[in-house]
Amino acid sequence: TQLLEQSPQFLSIQEGENLTVYCNSSSVFSSLQWYRQEPGEGPVLLVTVVTGGEVKKLKRLTFQFGDARKDSSLHITAAQPGDTGLYLCAGARGDDKIIFGKGTRLHILP
Amino acid sequence: GAGVSQSPSNKVTEKGKDVELRCDPISGHTALYWYRQSLGQGLEFLIYFQGNSAPDKSGLPSDRFSAERTGGSVSTLTIQRTQQEDSAVYLCASSRSGRGTDTQYFGPGTRLTVL
Repeated sequence: TQLLEQSPQFLSIQEGENLTVYCNSSSVFSSLQWYRQEPGEGPVLLVTVVTGGEVKKLKRLTFQFGDARKDSSLHITAAQPGDTGLYLCAGARGDDKIIFGKGTRLHILP
Repeated sequence: GAGVSQSPSNKVTEKGKDVELRCDPISGHTALYWYRQSLGQGLEFLIYFQGNSAPDKSGLPSDRFSAERTGGSVSTLTIQRTQQEDSAVYLCASSRSGRGTDTQYFGPGTRLTVL
């Protein structure tokens, strides 16, 4: 059972465009994290959100946790080639069991 | 400080042979995770250690897979009688306490190829 669905699976856009990727579930999570993975490396944490409705900004990246804590979105403004990578969301349940989505593979064309 | 390290970085083996993959977590981190990542895919959870105990082994694909952790530090993932479908990148991560809000720090992975 895939508890965390990420969409789209693949996204290729031009430099300078805006984009949003999504992480959805029918389950409630106590917290949710976003990681970015570049080729040949392990994932690196971008942000952790814990409160329903929470919005966090990291430069051109805006993360939102849904009010019901079942979903999250990542919005990138004015995408740059350095944003290219695999974006993974990971949700933690009350028992601290962590579940990863399959990721969105983002490619920014210069 | 030092991050999570994994060895070997690459392993090529023949079908039917056993392999051992090693993970050195960040010093002091009590939680350690093993994941498998097939080409172009997301992370498949394998096993979670809290100290030397493995409270969650639910992700191990078959009884050919086993893992141990000693001294609350180094962990080894062993795959017996390897099959071609075992080919993947095996990632290890550690976190301070295993809470859901902790940062997981990942190693660079071991790329396993079974011929």
